Amino acid sequence: QKEVEQNSGPLSVPEGAIASLNCTYSDRGSQSFFWYRQYSGKSPELIMSIYSNGDKEDGRFTAQLNKASQYVSLLIRDSQPSDSATYLCAVNPNDMRFGAGTRLTVKP
Amino acid sequence: GAVVSQHPSWVICKSGTSVKIECRSLDFQATTMFWYRQFPKQSLMLMATSNEGSKATYEQGVEKDKFLINHASLTLSTLTVTSAHPEDSSFYICSAQSTSGSSYNEQFFGPGTRLTVL
Repeated sequence: QKEVEQNSGPLSVPEGAIASLNCTYSDRGSQSFFWYRQYSGKSPELIMSIYSNGDKEDGRFTAQLNKASQYVSLLIRDSQPSDSATYLCAVNPNDMRFGAGTRLTVKP
Repeated sequence: GAVVSQHPSWVICKSGTSVKIECRSLDFQATTMFWYRQFPKQSLMLMATSNEGSKATYEQGVEKDKFLINHASLTLSTLTVTSAHPEDSSFYICSAQSTSGSSYNEQFFGPGTRLTVL
């Protein structure tokens, strides 16, 4: 079992819709959770970090964490074509482990 | 804040030569830096964890004698690809981990170095 699992996609949503990205992790001791966005040919950039159960909102982005289910998600509201990228989930029990990423395409 | 730079941004070299890539945290100190490699359309692969003042920890399958890592200060880590071959051509990305303030435990990535070995 991989430490951090994501659906590879591609996930395609129309412009203006909500994009939902999911991630599960195996280490119950994990304390820190992160979502990164990576455009093609570029390095990842941090979008959200979340440390406690529940929702955390930042603009159009909402991260949701459920430690009991070992599940973290990212919702993107009012999706824009510029949101088209690969989204990486990262989990930090002792060191950072990345999922393989989900490729999101937002169609105009 | 939390800016990480890499130099060079791209490099082309002949097979057999060595290439050094620098990673700097510009506005924070990073006791831990990470080196990743990414092939086209594939996910990030952690190569090694670099700790200031100590030897790097390499992931399984990464040759430590081929990929030399030095973390001599709290703001600089270097990766040297020795005797590079075409199969080493890849996108090399470093990251630095913040250990203080509101960014505690977050990793910030450099812009990456694209290496092409002819």
